[in-house]
Amino acid sequence: GDSVTQMEGPVTLSEEAFLTINCTYTATGYPSLFWYVQYPGEGLQLLLKATKADDKGSNKGFEATYRKETTSFHLEKGSVQVSDSAVYFCALRSGSARQLTFGSGTQLTVLP
Amino acid sequence: GAGVSQSPSNKVTEKGKDVELRCDPISGHTALYWYRQSLGQGLEFLIYFQGNSAPDKSGLPSDRFSAERTGGSVSTLTIQRTQQEDSAVYLCASSFSSRGSSGEQFFGPGTRLTVL
Repeated sequence: GDSVTQMEGPVTLSEEAFLTINCTYTATGYPSLFWYVQYPGEGLQLLLKATKADDKGSNKGFEATYRKETTSFHLEKGSVQVSDSAVYFCALRSGSARQLTFGSGTQLTVLP
Repeated sequence: GAGVSQSPSNKVTEKGKDVELRCDPISGHTALYWYRQSLGQGLEFLIYFQGNSAPDKSGLPSDRFSAERTGGSVSTLTIQRTQQEDSAVYLCASSFSSRGSSGEQFFGPGTRLTVL
């Protein structure tokens, strides 16, 4: 079945540091890939997405590129801010399924 | 417009009691999903509704769990004879269509269920 393996946390960085959160997947067909973010006390929000190989999703300075050859969708940001502190979830939706399959989530804390 | 809303935001119940959790999807969204977020289990899919089609119940963990969606809008997730392992945050999401190009889902704030 479909699965998402996500870099384990927690991750603690200083403000303006470079962020990478690794995500790899196993899926049938050609899935759509997502990063969701959950800020403290809030619900899940879509951060970015990519629907086909080599697509790059981007939003709020975050980027992720759909790499079919390595089945990866790593999240990156060049300079994190304290306000980026949150839990980040990698997810996929394959063509044969309707629901999202999530990774386990990565807690990011950015210190001033 | 309004997002996905869920009620109650918090629910504390005693083991063995039944609970009902409510979800109001975004107006016009035909697909509705329930997920569960619990420690050690991450986010798990529970059930999915699409229009008037029969729901996909493949994620429900036991027959104590059921859900319905009335009039293609509001949904209720019912847990009978609650157990302590049912303690989790129950999330509802909706989307325009399950067959959209990305299947983008919009999530509600969740209901935190605590079973004592």
